Amino acid sequence: DAGITQSPRHKVTETGTPVTLRCHQTENHRYMYWYRQDPGHGLRLIHYSYGVKDTDKGEVSDGYSVSRSKTEDFLLTLESATSSQTSVYFCAILKTGTNSGANVLTFGAGSRLTVL
Amino acid sequence: QKEVEQDPGPLSVPEGAIVSLNCTYSNSAFQYFMWYRQYSRKGPELLMYTYSSGNKEDGRFTAQVDKSSKYISLFIRDSQPSDSATYLCAMSVSGGSNYKLTFGKGTLLTVNP
Repeated sequence: DAGITQSPRHKVTETGTPVTLRCHQTENHRYMYWYRQDPGHGLRLIHYSYGVKDTDKGEVSDGYSVSRSKTEDFLLTLESATSSQTSVYFCAILKTGTNSGANVLTFGAGSRLTVL
Repeated sequence: QKEVEQDPGPLSVPEGAIVSLNCTYSNSAFQYFMWYRQYSRKGPELLMYTYSSGNKEDGRFTAQVDKSSKYISLFIRDSQPSDSATYLCAMSVSGGSNYKLTFGKGTLLTVNP
């Protein structure tokens, strides 16, 4: 997965409990992202980061917070999980400076979260 | 209107068929166009990307961009069962805001042996 590790890969939790998902990269890329993927909705951006301690909201940020204290780690926290947050969560890094000038996203393997 | 529209399918074809996958978009500022492939229970992986208008070919895959119609296509020739996956289109602008990609919802393709 091109230097991206997500943990845990699977988690089952109960409504109201806090959950933290971790994304770790080994390639020192500036931009990191958290997406969720649900049937009928595709990939939706939750939060992204453009540097240490620099984060911004995506289109579905309510109920989620993020932190980036080190370049290589981007954490996604559900303060009080709800059943509507049952989803597959993908971390991604942005690789810049490709041959054509395009910036491309490289995704992790995903974290499957079930909130009962 | 969504910025990027993609028919979710599902699309089922016999092995060897030519497959056409399409997206339309509304933002004329999009300059980079990408196709991602996602196998079941895996993360999306970049398949191809093009800049501005034109065609790009890579083996059995051809990506086409028609900026005048705001329409992009991915063609798969001689489709194989291993091509069975969800295909997502993605787009971004050039310049300072090109760190944000806008995705289509994906088209589920099944190639039957």
